[in-house]
Amino acid sequence: GNSVTQMEGPVTLSEEAFLTINCTYTATGYPSLFWYVQYPGEGLQLLLKATKADDKGSNKGFEATYRKETTSFHLEKGSVQVSDSAVYFCALSDGAPSGSARQLTFGSGTQLTVLP
Amino acid sequence: DTEVTQTPKHLVMGMTNKKSLKCEQHMGHRAMYWYKQKAKKPPELMFVYSYEKLSINESVPSRFSPECPNSSLLNLHLHALQPEDSALYLCASSPRPGAGPQETQYFGPGTRLLVL
Repeated sequence: GNSVTQMEGPVTLSEEAFLTINCTYTATGYPSLFWYVQYPGEGLQLLLKATKADDKGSNKGFEATYRKETTSFHLEKGSVQVSDSAVYFCALSDGAPSGSARQLTFGSGTQLTVLP
Repeated sequence: DTEVTQTPKHLVMGMTNKKSLKCEQHMGHRAMYWYKQKAKKPPELMFVYSYEKLSINESVPSRFSPECPNSSLLNLHLHALQPEDSALYLCASSPRPGAGPQETQYFGPGTRLLVL
């Protein structure tokens, strides 16, 4: 079956530090990959996505590249801000029969805290 | 506009109460989802509706009863819940079931439920 493995948290960084959150996956076929962010007390927001190998998703300074050879989709940001403090979920979508709604397989989530 | 709305934002109920959660989207999406999220965990899929028909029920106890009256509205009826059902309940929608793994799910802000 499908699975997503994220680096264990929590991650604590100082403002303007470089961020990497590792995500690797196991899936059959050609999944799409997503990063969702959940701010305290809120629902999940789509941060970025990539739908095929070598695609790079980007949004709000965050980037992730779909690497099929290493089955990875690591999240990076060059300079984090206090407002980036949140939980980040890596997810993949695949496996449903044609014509069906897709299910997301989530990683365990990584708590990021950015200190001023 | 990628907005999914959920009401109420917070709900406290006793184990003998009957209550309902409501989810709406006006993006023309034809798949809608209910998830349950416990603290510090990823969301767990409960139900999926495709074209207003229940397509996935992830072995959810019968005290949770979903309903999709039309393509814009999704309800979750609650009856005789247990304290362990306390969680954040998230609704999501996606445009076209069967469009493929690139299909993106958009989440609402959630209803935080406390069962006493």
